[in-house]
Amino acid sequence: DGGITQSPKYLFRKEGQNVTLSCEQNLNHDAMYWYRQDPGQGLRLIYYSQIVNDFQKGDIAEGYSVSREKKESFPLTVTSAQKNPTAFYLCASRPGLLVGYGYTFGSGTRLTVV
Amino acid sequence: AQSVTQPDIHITVSEGASLELRCNYSYGATPYLFWYVQSPGQGLQLLLKYFSGDTLVQGIKGFEAEFKRSQSSFNLRKPSVHWSDAAEYFCAVGAYSGAGSYQLTFGKGTKLSVIP
Repeated sequence: DGGITQSPKYLFRKEGQNVTLSCEQNLNHDAMYWYRQDPGQGLRLIYYSQIVNDFQKGDIAEGYSVSREKKESFPLTVTSAQKNPTAFYLCASRPGLLVGYGYTFGSGTRLTVV
Repeated sequence: AQSVTQPDIHITVSEGASLELRCNYSYGATPYLFWYVQSPGQGLQLLLKYFSGDTLVQGIKGFEAEFKRSQSSFNLRKPSVHWSDAAEYFCAVGAYSGAGSYQLTFGKGTKLSVIP
């Protein structure tokens, strides 16, 4: 079945470390997104990519980086510059450049700083 | 820029009672509207969507939503709630951003608790 796979499900990071969250989709979707979710704050957009080798900053991009070398993959790196990285991270995708489509979401990665 | 407001942070209903979750949006043109549901520790699942046409849309799990342009609302309803409906619900509007890209803007969510 087609879908989005996020890994790992749980991730622990020490202070000062960079960590990379994986997001892979087999839906042949062009656009991919990364969101951060904190209790009571809804979903906040970190980065998005509409096509391979192109990506744009969202509302809270500071301390994060992404790459889009393949259509299927959109990894997110949480750098040591991110002051408060403990959160639930969601990856999403949608087909093509057509308007009106909703997003398909992965099952998320919970990142905890220890 | 578009925005979504979900006025109720937390709602508690008894099992078998009816449910209405409120959603108000702000967008200058005809919006694309969505409702998603999220169980704890999981991703978001699409319940239903409105693009055009009939203003009452049916979704999965027995949910429906009504688009009211005059009130800028897209409220989610269910006639009889089941304990398994306890989750967080997000309303979203799809529109072009200032950068020319199509994106969904989400509300902050309404948490639903169900009393057996």
